[in-house]
Amino acid sequence: ETGVTQTPRHLVMGMTNKKSLKCEQHLGHNAMYWYKQSAKKPLELMFVYNFKEQTENNSVPSRFSPECPNSSHLFLHLHTLQPEDSALYLCASSQADRGQFYGYTFGSGTRLTVV
Amino acid sequence: AQTVTQSQPEMSVQEAETVTLSCTYDTSENNYYLFWYKQPPSRQMILVIRQEAYKQQNATENRFSVNFQKAAKSFSLKISDSQLGDTAMYFCAFIVEYGNKLVFGAGTILRVKS
Repeated sequence: ETGVTQTPRHLVMGMTNKKSLKCEQHLGHNAMYWYKQSAKKPLELMFVYNFKEQTENNSVPSRFSPECPNSSHLFLHLHTLQPEDSALYLCASSQADRGQFYGYTFGSGTRLTVV
Repeated sequence: AQTVTQSQPEMSVQEAETVTLSCTYDTSENNYYLFWYKQPPSRQMILVIRQEAYKQQNATENRFSVNFQKAAKSFSLKISDSQLGDTAMYFCAFIVEYGNKLVFGAGTILRVKS
């Protein structure tokens, strides 16, 4: 187990559904991230949170709504999605210490299928 | 703009042989960190190796080593004695000092054949 837990592992939802993805880390990291990974496309950064505050929204459509209630938990709320939103959604966390950066720790991802 | 280029979409190697994956990046910053991540079919992104740009010595982790050429902005990964379990997508990435996010390349699919 990696230290970053994502649930659910798989999700199938209709275009009119509302669902949420959950990410949890107990590594003491101060930053958390959502990435979208589609087939044949580069990793797309969606959101960045530092100390619970959103510091980056990479022009993500409003049908994706992030929430970071504390530095250990990150949610991605989904509503009225489109089939092209089907992808692997990866959560990651990191710790920066006086400019030193040790890399991300990733979760196993949620495979989302929109039907 | 900060970018990472992995020019090899796919590569194959025979088991026990050595393979090198290429990565170039672009930044105007002088201090940064470079990484290689591995994503096997299980989807878990795993950190393979980390390099600090202000260290000239190339990082090594067991069978994995890098060739870091700062002036050329090149950061290649060498895998020695390739194993079937090395089959994965490999991503090169970097972050500038005090930056808030990694910049990833498009990835290279590596297949190790028996």
